[in-house]
Amino acid sequence: DTAVSQTPKYLVTQMGNDKSIKCEQNLGHDTMYWYKQDSKKFLKIMFSYNNKELIINETVPNRFSPKSPDKAHLNLHINSLELGDSAVYFCASTPGQGRAREKLFFGSGTQLSVL
Amino acid sequence: QKEVEQNSGPLSVPEGAIASLNCTYSDRGSQSFFWYRQYSGKSPELIMFIYSNGDKEDGRFTAQLNKASQYVSLLIRDSQPSDSATYLCAVTGSYGKLTFGQGTILTVHP
Repeated sequence: DTAVSQTPKYLVTQMGNDKSIKCEQNLGHDTMYWYKQDSKKFLKIMFSYNNKELIINETVPNRFSPKSPDKAHLNLHINSLELGDSAVYFCASTPGQGRAREKLFFGSGTQLSVL
Repeated sequence: QKEVEQNSGPLSVPEGAIASLNCTYSDRGSQSFFWYRQYSGKSPELIMFIYSNGDKEDGRFTAQLNKASQYVSLLIRDSQPSDSATYLCAVTGSYGKLTFGQGTILTVHP
């Protein structure tokens, strides 16, 4: 009954491959996010969806494509993987209203290693 | 200037001491301030939030906010080895964007 779950936990792949990471939340939250955390622990937002609509799209290469089939799911597809994509990717969610929408609930993370 | 800046540490304190973690931010219009704790290999977890100037206490944790100085801090009293983690400061800026600092590594040694 994990609140925000993402799969896989580890992903090791070769440069140039295409891979996907899946995220699901059972908290009834309206907003979901993808964050990237680099080796120095710096956590940076990539995308945000509110009720399946894209609301934040930071400066991310267009090799990264998020997809939200419904408000409980937000997947991340990455084309033509590069060495610099190696990082931990966190899915997160927040309620849609008021100040509660600023309080992030994170998934357990996906450690992506591009060889 | 980074939007949210923290001393990356590591900060090392003895068990039972007070750990003081600091964070500064550049956007004067920032309204909401958060502290997340992240254990090694785990995801960040929200432990404190503060909206108004002054202190906010929750158990052994106290968040302090000074908007005039654009400064937010987290005090951990009676530090325990289980408090050893990376502490991430996060700030919601004028346009509603949440930005994280680079985190401070805290080590509490017995």
